[in-house]
Amino acid sequence: QSVLTQPPSASGTPGQRVTISCSGSSSNIGSNTVNWYQQLPGTAPKLVIYYNNQRPSGVPDRFSGSKSGTSASLAISGLQSEDEGDYYCATWHDSLNVLLFGGGTKLTVL
Amino acid sequence: QVQLVESGGGVVQPGRSLRLSCAASGFTFSSYGMHWVRQAPGKGLEWVAVISYDGNYEYYADSVKGRFTISRDNSKNTLYLQMNSLRAEDTAVYYCAKVALIYYDNSGRLDYWGQGTLVTVSS
Repeated sequence: QSVLTQPPSASGTPGQRVTISCSGSSSNIGSNTVNWYQQLPGTAPKLVIYYNNQRPSGVPDRFSGSKSGTSASLAISGLQSEDEGDYYCATWHDSLNVLLFGGGTKLTVL
Repeated sequence: QVQLVESGGGVVQPGRSLRLSCAASGFTFSSYGMHWVRQAPGKGLEWVAVISYDGNYEYYADSVKGRFTISRDNSKNTLYLQMNSLRAEDTAVYYCAKVALIYYDNSGRLDYWGQGTLVTVSS
């Protein structure tokens, strides 16, 4: 059971907009920035959002992130088949000195 | 370009030890903290450990504390994970990952990952 709670699955059709939530607490998301990782089938994770809403170079602007209080969200607009994979939120817990990952959300493009 | 290449995985019996390595290139290894993250078959990501750029601090997940040791050799551009008293539940692909910011970065922002090495603990 992960400390950061994500829905196990999400889906959408090509071109649609989907959002994935990540719920935490005041001691983790509430007091640190959130990062999002994409893991396509058979590959290593890749950073797609950092500092709540910043995109690394090379990540399409279809990906966006937000944070409010103790929750964060990843939004993917103009959904494409190549977006299908697993998505994880992550944040550092300052007082425990551990990196927390959400349980992951499997995104299916219908 | 940044490259992280893990090695050392394999099949090991419960209770035995194994040491993983992560060879880094394409960046100034001695200036960045490094993490190990693992993924059990069909499961999600689980953070294992972090070491600072200079090796002065290390932090561990409760599940591995006292059994695993993270270390680095900045002269060899290599990160290590010494795994002792291995259990079946340690079976996973182990990834090394680089923090994004030079020197101190506790944001959890990992900008480069290796391809992973599989550790199977089984009798």
